[in-house]
Amino acid sequence: NAGVTQTPKFRVLKTGQSMTLLCAQDMNHEYMYWYRQDPGMGLRLIHYSVGEGTTAKGEVPDGYNVSRLKKQNFLLGLESAAPSQTSVYFCASSYGGTGELFFGEGSRLTVL
Amino acid sequence: GESVGLHLPTLSVQEGDNSIINCAYSNSASDYFIWYKQESGKGPQFIIDIRSNMDKRQGQRVTVLLNKTVKHLSLQIAATQPGDSAVYFCAENTGFGNEKLTFGTGTRLTIIP
Repeated sequence: NAGVTQTPKFRVLKTGQSMTLLCAQDMNHEYMYWYRQDPGMGLRLIHYSVGEGTTAKGEVPDGYNVSRLKKQNFLLGLESAAPSQTSVYFCASSYGGTGELFFGEGSRLTVL
Repeated sequence: GESVGLHLPTLSVQEGDNSIINCAYSNSASDYFIWYKQESGKGPQFIIDIRSNMDKRQGQRVTVLLNKTVKHLSLQIAATQPGDSAVYFCAENTGFGNEKLTFGTGTRLTIIP
């Protein structure tokens, strides 16, 4: 039982490049989330999904897009990376109706 | 804007002593609160939660206290161990149901051997 798996774990991009972060969970959770974590700040919600085929904006959605084509996967895309998107990104999932989120190990993204 | 914050960014505690981590919240409509622990290089891990109809909830070596009058939340860790060294976040529910959480900035707890 792997839980929540994020790929890649590290990535360096140049400004303007695009990339996709993949999150996969094997717990049959309905809810999935993407957060970013910056030094000295808590986790901020980018986008989330309450079920397959649904997505919704969080606190800081600008510059990101997401897709939830399969229940177990939640993709986070950066169409044109900017230095301000340098951060550690965390994916999480939950059963829904509970605040117990299960987090992945994080993906460290650097945009030069 | 409304946010979840912490009184102290760092806390050092002698091994074996009890620790108390505090959190202030400003959204009076929040009705569900959670504490997470994040070890270095890992994702946050759920510790304990509490609903607004409760004042106190206990887990294994941890107790969460909620004071709705002053909008204050605390996490007490008994008999601290080296493995308790981590960053602790409080979070509150701000969305419909429980699908959205707002996290505080975190407190770094260091256990001194």
